[in-house]
Amino acid sequence: QKEVEQDPGPLSVPEGAIVSLNCTYSNSAFQYFMWYRQYSRKGPELLMYTYSSGNKEDGRFTAQVDKSSKYISLFIRDSQPSDSATYLCAMSSSSNTGKLIFGQGTTLQVKP
Amino acid sequence: NAGVTQTPKFQVLKTGQSMTLQCAQDMNHNSMYWYRQDPGMGLRLIYYSASEGTTDKGEVPNGYNVSRLNKREFSLRLESAAPSQTSVYFCASSADRGDTEAFFGQGTRLTVV
Repeated sequence: QKEVEQDPGPLSVPEGAIVSLNCTYSNSAFQYFMWYRQYSRKGPELLMYTYSSGNKEDGRFTAQVDKSSKYISLFIRDSQPSDSATYLCAMSSSSNTGKLIFGQGTTLQVKP
Repeated sequence: NAGVTQTPKFQVLKTGQSMTLQCAQDMNHNSMYWYRQDPGMGLRLIYYSASEGTTDKGEVPNGYNVSRLNKREFSLRLESAAPSQTSVYFCASSADRGDTEAFFGQGTRLTVV
């Protein structure tokens, strides 16, 4: 069983839709939770970062962490075609934020 | 501002050949990492270096060696390439202070035939 599970999709939604992306994990030592966005043939770039449980909002993006359920989510409101990318959840048990365990990534397509 | 630079961007190797992937960062970061990305597997850590002069194994180190040449540069070597090492390789760096992020390079697409 993988430490981090993520539905690979693909997920296709119309422009303006609310998108929900999710990951589950098994290691209770994870404290740092991240969402990376990766455009085709590019490197991942950090989108959202959350420490421990709770919510964090940044514009159209909201990240949620529920440590009791070992479940994290990323919500995208008013989705745009430019949001079409692969979204990777990542987690770490230490503040050494580059040593990460990644989910498989979910490919999202937002259709105009 | 270049960030994390990887060379080469593409490479085709024959089974048994060797090569070195180069990575350099200009952000004065302490920590550097090598990941590989395969379809359906996400990114997996191969090796990392928490500081100049130190290296440690990650999740999938077999078949690879690394060198932290100085604070800026971290190289990944394949001594005898195998088809199972066909992948996209990413180098990353982080400052290693609290809630800082890891910055990734653009990747090296390696095919071993």
